[in-house]
Amino acid sequence: DTEVTQTPKHLVMGMTNKKSLKCEQHMGHRAMYWYKQKAKKPPELMFVYSYEKLSINESVPSRFSPECPNSSLLNLHLHALQPEDSALYLCASSHRDSGNTEAFFGQGTRLTVV
Amino acid sequence: AQKVTQAQTEISVVEKEDVTLDCVYETRDTTYYLFWYKQPPSGELVFLIRRNSFDEQNEISGRYSWNFQKSTSSFNFTITASQVVDSAVYFCALEGFHTGGFKTIFGAGTRLFVKA
Repeated sequence: DTEVTQTPKHLVMGMTNKKSLKCEQHMGHRAMYWYKQKAKKPPELMFVYSYEKLSINESVPSRFSPECPNSSLLNLHLHALQPEDSALYLCASSHRDSGNTEAFFGQGTRLTVV
Repeated sequence: AQKVTQAQTEISVVEKEDVTLDCVYETRDTTYYLFWYKQPPSGELVFLIRRNSFDEQNEISGRYSWNFQKSTSSFNFTITASQVVDSAVYFCALEGFHTGGFKTIFGAGTRLFVKA
């Protein structure tokens, strides 16, 4: 199994809603990542989890709250988002975050904030 | 600071043509890693190749080849005999160590159109 599975694939939410994005991998990877990708732009790193601990937070607003319940799961909790937060949210995993290892990406969640 | 520049925003070729995607990077690190990823319309990024800063050997994988030159800080990607299925956005990426761990930054991407 070399897949990273993200759910849902599409999400429309209002600015007062609370929702969560989910990401799952069963490759035994110990590093997991959230990226945000705006249309026609490259992915931008948001968070890195290494061995279920948050190791990098790229100064992401607190309305985005990551969670890593176990080594296979990564969540991104969303609350009070703004329309400019609409984007493709990509989850990725790799064997470790020590470099020299490729990341496997999910297909992403296309989020629209209305 | 680290930076990846992909100067070609879009490239359009006819099937069976060869095409080279350029990537220039900046870093002060002596140890770093370079990647190419493909992003088809479905959205996921597909890993193509990884190179570490100490390995300047060029690599060929089927119709794909990569030319890594530290002297010019470039890591160019060539597709030989392009096919319609090669149409996608291609990202060059640079990974280096920062406070907290390794971080990957992506170039702006090159959108490749291969016409039949």
